[in-house]
Amino acid sequence: SQQGEEDPQALSIQEGENATMNCSYKTSINNLQWYRQNSGRGLVHLILIRSNEREKHSGRLRVTLDTSKKSSSLLITASRAADTASYFCATGLVRGYNKLIFGAGTRLAVHP
Amino acid sequence: DADVTQTPRNRITKTGKRIMLECSQTKGHDRMYWYRQDPGLGLQLIYYSFDVKDINKGEISDGYSVSRQAQAKFSLSLESAIPNQTALYFCATSDARTASSYNEQFFGPGTRLTVL
Repeated sequence: SQQGEEDPQALSIQEGENATMNCSYKTSINNLQWYRQNSGRGLVHLILIRSNEREKHSGRLRVTLDTSKKSSSLLITASRAADTASYFCATGLVRGYNKLIFGAGTRLAVHP
Repeated sequence: DADVTQTPRNRITKTGKRIMLECSQTKGHDRMYWYRQDPGLGLQLIYYSFDVKDINKGEISDGYSVSRQAQAKFSLSLESAIPNQTALYFCATSDARTASSYNEQFFGPGTRLTVL
């Protein structure tokens, strides 16, 4: 079974709007990462947040982590059509953090 | 990511055939992974290798085998392909040399495999 579950499964917004995606997980983690996948292509690492961090920024991306609720969110501000992709959270576990466990992803469509 | 390459990119085969998917990397990473992705699902880990002499099963290893021929090469084999192995297969690498890397993974472009 998968560790992480993203919500919503699909999101459709207009350019310029913000997009928020959520990820919940089940067991204790060492870190949580977000990846992006353009249709049918390989995943690209976006951002990593460690279990002792609560918020992290990278350009238009903002990630939060709440370990008490076992959840994370990814915010993309001022979205662009080029942000259209699937976004996956992946958790590195406390034990065996050398592996990542991926969620099913959120499909984001940004319309011009 | 051009540093991680996969061959072939697309393959159509028949039930019962043996198939090998290959992955090569020029990133100098010691860790390599094989995943499969089914429509609407995330990635599921098939096998992973932390160095040439270390091979580990992932979540869904049944029906698959791997070979780590060198640090830069990691092959995935389907001994006798079946239709439900039709999926997109990804190879990934990560670098354990720095403590701060936290296992960020770098993915190849994927192999689309269809088993008829």
